[in-house]
Amino acid sequence: GESVGLHLPTLSVQEGDNSIINCAYSNSASDYFIWYKQESGKGPQFIIDIRSNMDKRQGQRVTVLLNKTVKHLSLQIAATQPGDSAVYFCAEMSASGGSYIPTFGRGTSLIVHP
Amino acid sequence: ETGVTQSPTHLIKTRGQQVTLRCSSQSGHNTVSWYQQALGQGPQFIFQYYREEENGRGNFPPRFSGLQFPNYSSELNVNALELDDSALYLCASRVGPSTDTQYFGPGTRLTVL
Repeated sequence: GESVGLHLPTLSVQEGDNSIINCAYSNSASDYFIWYKQESGKGPQFIIDIRSNMDKRQGQRVTVLLNKTVKHLSLQIAATQPGDSAVYFCAEMSASGGSYIPTFGRGTSLIVHP
Repeated sequence: ETGVTQSPTHLIKTRGQQVTLRCSSQSGHNTVSWYQQALGQGPQFIFQYYREEENGRGNFPPRFSGLQFPNYSSELNVNALELDDSALYLCASRVGPSTDTQYFGPGTRLTVL
């Protein structure tokens, strides 16, 4: 079936560095994509989303890039901080019966060293 | 915090038993989704309820069932528990089924022995 996957299961960076987390998706019909952050003991938290008709979107310290040609999504975090340490998931949202159904990837663990 | 609460926090059951997990949605949200998150994996969509009706379902067997109440709180029921049902169960609420941003609760950790 269709799936969303991540290239790197673990990413270690130094505080202040920029981080890039990658995601590959397979459903070309997905309407939009969301990045979530999940800290230990908590549910996923929305970070940023991007529609399929866009190729870049910026938020506060985060940028998401979408390359539909190769079905690739990335999350860039600028000036990474220890508080950014968490597992990051991308999810693709596909329309089904008037609703959007998400498919999550496995996740990437980001470790930020002070 | 998101305003979505779940109970209980942790639960231990034995194989073959039944379990009910509960979720209280964020105020003003009429749509709730349930997810199963195995250790080291991303959340897997179980089903979604909108105005007390199921309006989306993932690849889970019928022994996974749910309810949504008039106040938009929700239950997830799992019958005939199996060892592989051990996971973190998350609920998430949103304003409507076609809106994007959903807010997750902290989850219920279910262990099946």
